[in-house]
Amino acid sequence: AQSVTQLDSQVPVFEEAPVELRCNYSSSVSVYLFWYVQYPNQGLQLLLKYLSGSTLVKGINGFEAEFNKSQTSFHLRKPSVHISDTAEYFCAVSSGAGSYQLTFGKGTKLSVIP
Amino acid sequence: SQTIHQWPATLVQPVGSPLSLECTVEGTSNPNLYWYRQAAGRGLQLLFYSVGIGQISSEVPQNLSASRPQDRQFILSSKKLLLSDSGFYLCASNRNDRGHPYEQYFGPGTRLTVT
Repeated sequence: AQSVTQLDSQVPVFEEAPVELRCNYSSSVSVYLFWYVQYPNQGLQLLLKYLSGSTLVKGINGFEAEFNKSQTSFHLRKPSVHISDTAEYFCAVSSGAGSYQLTFGKGTKLSVIP
Repeated sequence: SQTIHQWPATLVQPVGSPLSLECTVEGTSNPNLYWYRQAAGRGLQLLFYSVGIGQISSEVPQNLSASRPQDRQFILSSKKLLLSDSGFYLCASNRNDRGHPYEQYFGPGTRLTVT
């Protein structure tokens, strides 16, 4: 079985400051990792994904994440946030061959303060 | 890429009334389809998934049911709604290709309020 832990339920940050949203996973097999963003009353939009290769993954809207296998983490970062980044962010994991479901974390609400 | 359509966008229903939410997918064939519910502060709860027409798997026992009458159509139903059925319902799809964990695409969601 696999699980995802998002350590912070809410993260306030000032505009133009850097931010890191933390995600840890547990799985007995190799994993594929995703970050999604959800704006109020909308569906989820894929920010970035790690399937293989370089452990530093770049996504849309200036976000990036680093896969760390030894620490079973996939933290999301942005060097300078904007008001428009205010949203809820979900980390998700899919295990290897034969699986097609995603397991989601409980989400982190990012609030950007002007 | 895939496009997911959901309707209605919002719905207010009394307790005990029936429910039908519809989801259709464009841009792919034979997708895996999913229904999630999102309640305040509780993340995404997987309710049902389907790997093909007429094939439905339930993740959580409840008074909801799902059906897939066509390849790219997924319906969520209830005969009698409960107050606890209130929430934001999301439909999602991904490629039906076992061994390749492709990302899921999400629809815009349906906000259901049971009164």
